[in-house]
Formats: sequence, C-alpha cells, structure tokens
Amino acid sequence: LAKTTQPISMDSYEGQEVNITCSHNNIATNDYITWYQQFPSQGPRFIIQGYKTKVTNEVASLFIPADRKSSTLSLPRVSLSDTAVYYCLVGDPLVQGGKLIFGQGTELSVKP
Amino acid sequence: GAVVSQHPSWVICKSGTSVKIECRSLDFQATTMFWYRQFPKQSLMLMATSNEGSKATYEQGVEKDKFLINHASLTLSTLTVTSAHPEDSSFYICSARGVAGDLYGYTFGSGTRLTVV
Repeated sequence: LAKTTQPISMDSYEGQEVNITCSHNNIATNDYITWYQQFPSQGPRFIIQGYKTKVTNEVASLFIPADRKSSTLSLPRVSLSDTAVYYCLVGDPLVQGGKLIFGQGTELSVKP
Repeated sequence: GAVVSQHPSWVICKSGTSVKIECRSLDFQATTMFWYRQFPKQSLMLMATSNEGSKATYEQGVEKDKFLINHASLTLSTLTVTSAHPEDSSFYICSARGVAGDLYGYTFGSGTRLTVV
C-alpha cells in the first residue's frame, strides 16, 4: 500500500481557500486517491476521491498532476466548522477486502 | 448514501470485564468490515479485517484472543474486548465495505469511546 505524507497541521481563517497537499510517491497504477475528514470523537467522513486530473464536488476539489505522485485537496472559503483532521489515502477500490491504512493526517484549524 | 451504525457510542467498564461493540451496515451488505483503534491526537490504527463467514485477519501486534471479532452476517460485525484493562481505553471505529468496485465503498461508524476503570 502506498505511503502518504501530509503536513501535520495547517492554520487558516474563515473565508480563505485551503489547499492541503499529500505526497504518495509509490502510488500504484490502479490506486485511487481518497480524502476523509474527521471531527473529534467521530468516525472519518468521505470527502472526495479521484484518479487523475481534477475532481470537484459540492464540498471540495481534488487536483492530481499527471505523475500522480501527489494530490491537493482544495477547500473553498473555509468556515469554523471545517476545523478537523484531513486524511489522504491511496488504494485500489477494486480489490475485494482492500484495507484502508491511515497516515498521520493534517489537522486544520480555521480561525475567525 | 451508505450508513454504518456503531453502538454503543461510549462505554465505561471495570478492569477485567469484557465489552462488546456492534457495527451494522444499515442499507447495504458489508462483505468486509474493518476495526480501527485511535488514541488521542493520533491517527486511526487498523486492528483487523473481517469477511462475512470467515475468521478475522489481525494486524501485526494486535492480540486476537483479546480482541474477538465476529462477522456472522453481511450486516453485522462485533468487536469484543476481553478482560479489558485501562490501557485498552481508546476510541474504536468500525468501517464497512460493500462489493468491490464501489469507489465510495468505505463507510465508517461514529465510533465507540471505551474507558476502562
């Protein structure tokens, strides 16, 4: 399973755009990149998933360069409620029983 | 969307007793379930993987006789912490996976805060 590296923490202010970059140099051909959000004392929540280029949904965008060795989660105009830990994971969703291994995650703190 | 229900959300037990945590997939069949443990300010650590009807596969360093996992049906998996000790106090989270090929197939429960006194 590809190992991921993220910044341990980031600070931002309300209304700003936040970009969290994840490195995954050993990503395999069939691996997808998935981002989860976790609030204290809650289970992780799926944010977005992608394989290449750009993916956008109602809460975030995911940018993946051509070499796929990194990815960037972009949160537009963050609010205080976006304060959480964000995890980047890589894996092959087509593998039956494939397990998700979490890295250290990025603790995002949004200030007023 | 897929929902995973985990109970109880918190539990306090005495040292030496056993505690059972349930994880249910409410609107899909979970062919695989995962159990994680999370200590304060740390990431999730995978404990074991269970497939319906078969024995769980434990990660290295996780005592299978202490953390009993049962995945008797496609919608229910249980984790039993046997002879609990204060060092077992942690946040336990389950995750359920549907059929392979579903890109969004990993759904997490809300977690169980276990405190052993």
